[in-house]
Amino acid sequence: AQSVTQLGSHVSVSEGALVLLRCNYSSSVPPYLFWYVQYPNQGLQLLLKYTSAATLVKGINGFEAEFKKSETSFHLTKPSAHMSDAAEYFCAVSSRGGADGLTFGKGTHLIIQP
Amino acid sequence: KAGVTQTPRYLIKTRGQQVTLSCSPISGHRSVSWYQQTPGQGLQFLFEYFSETQRNKGNFPGRFSGRQFSNSRSEMNVSTLELGDSALYLCASSLSPASYEQYFGPGTRLTVT
Repeated sequence: AQSVTQLGSHVSVSEGALVLLRCNYSSSVPPYLFWYVQYPNQGLQLLLKYTSAATLVKGINGFEAEFKKSETSFHLTKPSAHMSDAAEYFCAVSSRGGADGLTFGKGTHLIIQP
Repeated sequence: KAGVTQTPRYLIKTRGQQVTLSCSPISGHRSVSWYQQTPGQGLQFLFEYFSETQRNKGNFPGRFSGRQFSNSRSEMNVSTLELGDSALYLCASSLSPASYEQYFGPGTRLTVT
């Protein structure tokens, strides 16, 4: 079984400040990990993915995430927030082979203060 | 390359009715997965189809079913609709089940009254 916990249903940062969205996972097998972003009335867009290559993963729009096996974490960061980053962010885990599909966290709503 | 398309985008149905949602994957993608998104339960995996066969199924009642056609297009059906079925239904496609990257469509917003 696999699960994802996202700490903080809402995170508010000032424009230009560091963005840190937290994700912890549980998986009985080595996982694949993902971050998706969802804008209002839209589907999910893949930001970045971890698939057992480099532990520091760079994605689109300046986001990156670091896989830490010892902490079972995959936190998402961006050095400088932009107003256009305001959206819902989802962390997801998949077992290799995808037997159970993607398991998502509850999501974190990122608010950017001007 | 066109993305994942879902039709219709919005749907209003009455309790007890049934509904069919459609998903066309990215060209060349053969695996289609369906997810339900609600404010209370979040995003939940419904099922996955590959080569016209259901490969995996989430924890949903038998009222939820789906199928995949030879051109990889997929439909999902919900029978005997309940108020709690109101949700955004998202379809995602990938090259194959072993391909970990899933690309999502815009979703179908189903409202049950």
